[in-house]
Amino acid sequence: DTEVTQTPKHLVMGMTNKKSLKCEQHMGHRAMYWYKQKAKKPPELMFVYSYEKLSINESVPSRFSPECPNSSLLNLHLHALQPEDSALYLCASSPLSSGLTDGNRGNTIYFGEGSWLTVV
Amino acid sequence: QKEVEQDPGPLSVPEGAIVSLNCTYSNSAFQYFMWYRQYSRKGPELLMYTYSSGNKEDGRFTAQVDKSSKYISLFIRDSQPSDSATYLCAMTRLNTGNQFYFGTGTSLTVIP
Repeated sequence: DTEVTQTPKHLVMGMTNKKSLKCEQHMGHRAMYWYKQKAKKPPELMFVYSYEKLSINESVPSRFSPECPNSSLLNLHLHALQPEDSALYLCASSPLSSGLTDGNRGNTIYFGEGSWLTVV
Repeated sequence: QKEVEQDPGPLSVPEGAIVSLNCTYSNSAFQYFMWYRQYSRKGPELLMYTYSSGNKEDGRFTAQVDKSSKYISLFIRDSQPSDSATYLCAMTRLNTGNQFYFGTGTSLTVIP
């Protein structure tokens, strides 16, 4: 079982709705991510938080708004989405360690089960 | 040129076969290599993690990294129907600002 927990697992929302996706990890990781994944495609990076600060925003439209309340939690606020935004939204986390040894998993990323979003 | 290339398949094998999945990459600075298994409608699950070149074995799974050829492989021995999934390779390097680079995924079906 993954140690990154995402809720809800499924969400259907209208184009005028406001909703939020939530993510929690208790592995002590200091980097957290939002990815978007369409069918038969690899995950596409949206946002990265390092030490609770937004470090990467991959030119994501403003209708997606991330929030990192603390080192264990990550939210993605959704507003005025379009049908083409329907996808699997993946939360992930990673330790922020730069060790060079094989035993150090500082450069590994762990995913949650994802939230299936359908915009109607 | 994409940073990471992976044949999307689909790949179909009989139960018990040895499966070979591969990725090539262009950035020689990549040092950390991962393989993920993703079942339909689920998030990717980390299978194998390798640093630099060499082999790593875990049960029926073996990961190989050949940095000189910029080529990584995942071998699955005695494949089972439960191995049917999409397999994603991923890689990164130090000081990337936490950027990970993914292959497109290979869809595998193991036929009973």
